Amino acid sequence: TQLLEQSPQFLSIQEGENLTVYCNSSSVFSSLQWYRQEPGEGPVLLVTVVTGGEVKKLKRLTFQFGDARKDSSLHITAAQPGDTGLYLCGGKLIFGQGTTLQVKP
Amino acid sequence: NAGVMQNPRHLVRRRGQEARLRCSPMKGHSHVYWYRQLPEEGLKFMVYLQKENIIDESGMPKERFSAEFPKEGPSILRIQQVVRGDSAAYFCASSPAALSPVANYGYTFGSGTRLTVV
Repeated sequence: TQLLEQSPQFLSIQEGENLTVYCNSSSVFSSLQWYRQEPGEGPVLLVTVVTGGEVKKLKRLTFQFGDARKDSSLHITAAQPGDTGLYLCGGKLIFGQGTTLQVKP
Repeated sequence: NAGVMQNPRHLVRRRGQEARLRCSPMKGHSHVYWYRQLPEEGLKFMVYLQKENIIDESGMPKERFSAEFPKEGPSILRIQQVVRGDSAAYFCASSPAALSPVANYGYTFGSGTRLTVV
């Protein structure tokens, strides 16, 4: 059974700080997706990573797919209150348990 | 272009009643996925359907839950004889085809149906 483990589960930081969220598995995934979910809404796709070692950037967000395609990370530079939300990694039908990020002004 | 449409947004049912949740995928999307989410938790896969076919229902409880995606009309997630433990947010997602390594896309999610069993 494939599993995705996210860490940390909760993160509370001040505006302007940097942070990294991890998504790990013992299984190989052909691709992984990252989503952000705000309260009362469905998750919104941020990025899909496909190639081992791939790095994708979305403004202040940097996504990396591990060389072995078993793990991924999301790095946010200079976090802003608008980044607050639940971040989910997902791969082929399954999702991690999510990382709840709170950015305080 | 309308996104994934789910209705109702909120549904209150008494224990023992039936709940019907509807999902209309994005235009051009032929694959539908249902997920369940409890507060402060991730998404738990329930079922994956194409038109008139259930592809994977490994996450679906064996009793009281069923799903369909008819040739015409929305996908329906049906919960019979609801119990308090069924209270959760139910999300539907769609994709244009099965997720594959050559397709650089993920799911498009609806806004969910929040089911409360009283």
